[in-house]
Amino acid sequence: NAGVTQTPKFQVLKTGQSMTLQCAQDMNHNSMYWYRQDPGMGLRLIYYSASEGTTDKGEVPNGYNVSRLNKREFSLRLESAAPSQTSVYFCASTGGLNYGYTFGSGTRLTVV
Amino acid sequence: RKEVEQDPGPFNVPEGATVAFNCTYSNSASQSFFWYRQDCRKEPKLLMSVYSSGNEDGRFTAQLNRASQYISLLIRDSKLSDSATYLCAVNIRGSTLGRLYFGRGTQLTVWP
Repeated sequence: NAGVTQTPKFQVLKTGQSMTLQCAQDMNHNSMYWYRQDPGMGLRLIYYSASEGTTDKGEVPNGYNVSRLNKREFSLRLESAAPSQTSVYFCASTGGLNYGYTFGSGTRLTVV
Repeated sequence: RKEVEQDPGPFNVPEGATVAFNCTYSNSASQSFFWYRQDCRKEPKLLMSVYSSGNEDGRFTAQLNRASQYISLLIRDSKLSDSATYLCAVNIRGSTLGRLYFGRGTQLTVWP
C-alpha cells in the first residue's frame, strides 16, 4: 500500500544510547517531516526537509539529527538518548500546499 | 502566541448528538486548512480539507471564517465510532511549502 512507512514501531533505550528512526514514503513527495507527540503538548516539529538535499530545524531540534538520504527516505537520529526524549515520533510527507500530510504509523520510544 | 489554538475538551456527547469544534489561527496569511482525526495510539489521519465556501462529507461539515480567523468542524448524528481526537491544521503562505501548524487537538467521546 502506498504511504509512509516508519520503523521501528517500538523501542526502549537506555540513557546515552543512540538510535536511528527510519522513514520512507512511496508517494513521490518532496517534503518530509519529523514530529514528536507528548500528552498535552500536541505535535511538535523536530526537523523537516522541503526537498531532497535540504533539511531545516523545527521547534524542538535539540538532541536530534536528520538525514534526507534520497527523495524517499528521511531518517531521525538520537545521538545520546535522554529520558526527556521519551515520546511518540511521527514521520509525515506531503505533496504540497493543498494536500495535507500523510503520517506514518509512529514509533513509540521509551528512554530509561 | 501559538499559530493554531483549539479547545482541548474533552467533549462527551450521547449518540445522535451534534457537536462542533472550533479552531482559531493567528496568521492572516494562512492558506490551506485541514481537519485530522487521531484515534488512541494511532497516527493522525486526514479527515477533510476545509474550503473557503465550506464543505460537507456525509455527517461532517467544515467551515472557514477568514474574517474571524477560525475554522470549524460540525459532526451531526454522532456515532460511537466518532470517538477520537480531532486536530486542526493550517498552512501559512510564505512558510516552508506544505508545512502545517497543528492545534493540540480536541478529544471527543461519544457514549451510548
